[in-house]
Amino acid sequence: RKEVEQDPGPFNVPEGATVAFNCTYSNSASQSFFWYRQDCRKEPKLLMSVYSSGNEDGRFTAQLNRASQYISLLIRDSKLSDSATYLCVVNGVTGGGNKLTFGTGTQLKVEL
Amino acid sequence: DAGVTQSPTHLIKTRGQHVTLRCSPISGHKSVSWYQQVLGQGPQFIFQYYEKEERGRGNFPDRFSARQFPNYSSELNVNALLLGDSALYLCASSSGPSGETQYFGPGTRLLVL
Repeated sequence: RKEVEQDPGPFNVPEGATVAFNCTYSNSASQSFFWYRQDCRKEPKLLMSVYSSGNEDGRFTAQLNRASQYISLLIRDSKLSDSATYLCVVNGVTGGGNKLTFGTGTQLKVEL
Repeated sequence: DAGVTQSPTHLIKTRGQHVTLRCSPISGHKSVSWYQQVLGQGPQFIFQYYEKEERGRGNFPDRFSARQFPNYSSELNVNALLLGDSALYLCASSSGPSGETQYFGPGTRLLVL
């Protein structure tokens, strides 16, 4: 079983749609959680951190369920510029280090 | 302020050769991590260095090595290159050794022929 699992997509949605991405992780000792965005042939960029209480940043809402080891990202009112790959990321923080474990990414294409 | 910088941006090598990739972290950051991203996959952790000491190592062969310098910049070395080493190599910096947000550089795209 992969440490972080995501549906690879692609998700093709019309502009203005609401889209949800899900992710599961296997290590119950994981400490922190993130969504990164990666544009084609570019580096990953932090979109938002994910907390059990849920957090919202404009059109983006992230949620963590530690009991189910499940992370979600909701994008409302999709824009063309949201087209990218969204990476679910878990930080194990084991052995005093800072190791990020990435899912394979979910590709989003927002269309007119 | 400059972000994470990496050099070179692109590199072409042949099997069996050696390669050195370089990374300069964000000013004030003392931790550098290296990741390998092959096409269609998420980045895979290779190494983390903090204050010039190795803090973590991923599941990569001994052909991969790294070091961090007193100015916190870092080098990733790969010996005896294989075709499968072709990938985007990403460097990430963070302010501390664990739990802090990591910021990625633009990467070095390595092609092994």
